[in-house]
Amino acid sequence: ETGVTQSPTHLIKTRGQQVTLRCSSQSGHNTVSWYQQALGQGPQFIFQYYREEENGRGNFPPRFSGLQFPNYSSELNVNALELDDSALYLCASSLRSPGAYEQYFGPGTRLTVT
Amino acid sequence: GQQVMQIPQYQHVQEGEDFTTYCNSSTTLSNIQWYKQRPGGHPVFLIQLVKSGEVKKQKRLTFQFGEAKKNSSLHITATQTTDVGTYFCAGFGGNYGQNFVFGPGTRLSVLP
Repeated sequence: ETGVTQSPTHLIKTRGQQVTLRCSSQSGHNTVSWYQQALGQGPQFIFQYYREEENGRGNFPPRFSGLQFPNYSSELNVNALELDDSALYLCASSLRSPGAYEQYFGPGTRLTVT
Repeated sequence: GQQVMQIPQYQHVQEGEDFTTYCNSSTTLSNIQWYKQRPGGHPVFLIQLVKSGEVKKQKRLTFQFGEAKKNSSLHITATQTTDVGTYFCAGFGGNYGQNFVFGPGTRLSVLP
């Protein structure tokens, strides 16, 4: 096990609602990245937080937002949910140092939007 | 933007046969990582390659980074049923604020 935890495990929401997903990073890791993984596809990078600041963002609209807290845990917020937001949401923690970006993934949150 | 492709998309092998998946990037990479995701699970880090032409081995798994740092391969010798899963490569461009771009993965099935 990686020590990265995510909550909740599963979630069902209705189109238009808002959702908050949570991630606790591995001890000693100061960087958290969030990914969206649709069924049968590779993880797609949403954004990364390093020391509580957003540090890079993928091709996702502003309704995807996040936070990182002083203990390096993180939240992913998605507003105005759409059916296409149904996916597995993964967070990955890492220790950000030059050339050492080994990422350790949590078990994910399965979001279903109906 | 940076794109990462993998072939094949699917591979079915008989237990004991070898398996290879190939990863190609549209741009030169700073480094590349490989992950394995079991059905219903999450990606698990396997290895990171940094140097041009680098070859690393983990028991039956051999990872290679191309000389131009635009492609990579994962070779499994004598597959076992425990090797079942999807293998992803993830390329990193090396610029601040970037992140790893994952390929679509190769799904490996091993028939006993």
